[in-house]
Amino acid sequence: DAGVIQSPRHEVTEMGQEVTLRCKPISGHNSLFWYRQTMMRGLELLIYFNNNVPIDDSGMPEDRFSAKMPNASFSTLKIQPSEPRDSAVYFCASSLLSGAAPLHFGNGTRLTVT
Amino acid sequence: SQQGEEDPQALSIQEGENATMNCSYKTSINNLQWYRQNSGRGLVHLILIRSNEREKHSGRLRVTLDTSKKSSSLLITASRAADTASYFCATDDNQAGTALIFGKGTTLSVSS
Repeated sequence: DAGVIQSPRHEVTEMGQEVTLRCKPISGHNSLFWYRQTMMRGLELLIYFNNNVPIDDSGMPEDRFSAKMPNASFSTLKIQPSEPRDSAVYFCASSLLSGAAPLHFGNGTRLTVT
Repeated sequence: SQQGEEDPQALSIQEGENATMNCSYKTSINNLQWYRQNSGRGLVHLILIRSNEREKHSGRLRVTLDTSKKSSSLLITASRAADTASYFCATDDNQAGTALIFGKGTTLSVSS
């Protein structure tokens, strides 16, 4: 079991550029979550999918953020255009489709927007 | 919005001592989970306690849950330097589905 795989690990980009973060969940997991972590706001839920369908995207901060899950083994989080305040660590997590299932986190993508 | 809030924000102890972290939450829950995060890594699940349970043990970890006070505690006994990490509680809002909401965490430092 390779765990949840996120890429890239680090991303540095200039304001206004498009950023795409990628996630491969654990095989067999039906739920996928995107979180953002900052010192000020802690760990915030952005969006989550069940069986590839977005269930709750109320945490997505603005229309500049979008997420897709075209199949059970891949998800993307896109920021277009990026802004300095988007700088954070973005985590992807997956779990079985159960309210009591533990989340398995990737090691995150550290995004810096200058 | 934050659901769980951990207390204290930071805790420094010596190896061998016990560490206690507390978590308070706001709404009714189905279960409460504790996670650990080492620097530069993702969160790792430690233990889950259901709303109808009051106490649970796993190795050196002991978790309690008081639903009347909407609070939980995580006790790490006989701490080790390797326990140095941030610890988060996470709850599900049983009105809103299965997504976990995390607190801001307690940073534990164990010195040898």
